[in-house]
Order: sequence, then structure tokens, then C-alpha cells
Amino acid sequence: QQQVKQSPQSLIVQKGGISIINCAYENTAFDYFPWYQQFPGKGPALLIAIRPDVSEKKEGRFTISFNKSAKQFSLHIMDSQPGDSATYFCAAHTGTASKLTFGTGTRLQVTL
Amino acid sequence: DTGVSQDPRHKITKRGQNVTFRCDPISEHNRLYWYRQTLGQGPEFLTYFQNEAQLEKSRLLSDRFSAERPKGSFSTLEIQRTEQGDSAMYLCASSPVTGALFYGYTFGSGTRLTVV
Repeated sequence: QQQVKQSPQSLIVQKGGISIINCAYENTAFDYFPWYQQFPGKGPALLIAIRPDVSEKKEGRFTISFNKSAKQFSLHIMDSQPGDSATYFCAAHTGTASKLTFGTGTRLQVTL
Repeated sequence: DTGVSQDPRHKITKRGQNVTFRCDPISEHNRLYWYRQTLGQGPEFLTYFQNEAQLEKSRLLSDRFSAERPKGSFSTLEIQRTEQGDSAMYLCASSPVTGALFYGYTFGSGTRLTVV
């Protein structure tokens, strides 16, 4: 049972453009929504995260938008750079289980 | 080194052999997690420890898998009688206990297992 659905599977964006990745969840017990960035051969690295009592969080070029009623959240990467080319995973945390449920990932390629 | 260390980075084994992976978490983190990631998928939870206690195990963790964290520091994940379906990246992560709020994990670089 996939509890976090992520789209698109892959994304090609020109340098300087905006990359947008979307996720939807089902379990209303989720209480923390992080985004992870993963480069080939490396483990995922925490990029930015949001809690459900906030509708938006911005850190540098990265912004999470969160819609609690729709049970959706998205990652926006402004002024995308070639160094942002990586796989991005959304995830959701349940407090009682202390585990993360990950989406299937979005492979982002930023072209020159 | 303040990160999560995993050893080995790569392991190739023949079907039916046993393998053991090691994880050294960030020293002040008392929670330790194991995840498995197959190609093109997100990581899937396997098990987690708080100090030396194993508090939850996923149904993915068949009886061929066993994890330990004997002194609440490093952890080992053993797979007995490996099968080709066990081929994956095995990720370890750690986090501190910070009261009621969760602040995410720090992942290691993983151990890539190939069963031939």
C-alpha cells in the first residue's frame, strides 16, 4: 500500500527555471513532511521539511507548499541549477511509529 | 567524522550465503534505523532501535533478516541464505530523541548488496 504518491517520475528543467514536484498522502496521522535529495551512490540528505500547521516554508531557493485539506504538498526549486540534478523524495512521518514513508522519487535533470 | 558510517559500501555475494552489514550512527544519536532501497524506488522502513532496544520491525523483515544494536552504539544487519530479491541498497540512519517533535534522520551512504 503506497501511502505517499509522488509525481512526476522525471523532470527536465532549464537552468534558471522552476522545478515543481508534487506529493499526495492518505494518512492524516502524518505529522512531519520532509524532502530528501539523493545523488547517485549516496544516501538521501534532508533538504527541507514542514509540519502540517504551516502552509509554506522557504529555505533559500527551496520552498515547500502544504495543503492540509487536500492532503498534498509540493517542492518548488527556484532558479534551478545543474548542481540540483538529483533524485528527490518526499516523505511523511508518523509520530507513533517513528518511521518515514517515502514517495517513489523524482529524477530531476537541470540542463544548461 | 560526524556522519553516519556504513560498511562495506558494496557487497557481492552468491545466493545462499550470509552477509552482515555494519552501521555506526552519529555518536549522540540514540535512535538508529535500517531502510532498504531498490532501484527506482524510495527507501522502505525495515526496523529501528532506541538505544539497544529494537522497537519496531517491518513485515518486510523476514526471518532471514536480523538486526542488533548490542551496546546502543553501532548496529549490524545480517541476512541469512541470501536470495536474488535481497539485492538492494541498505541504508542506515540515525536521529536524536528530541522530545515529542521529530526532526528527520541523517542517512549514511548505504551498502549496496548484489546477490548473484
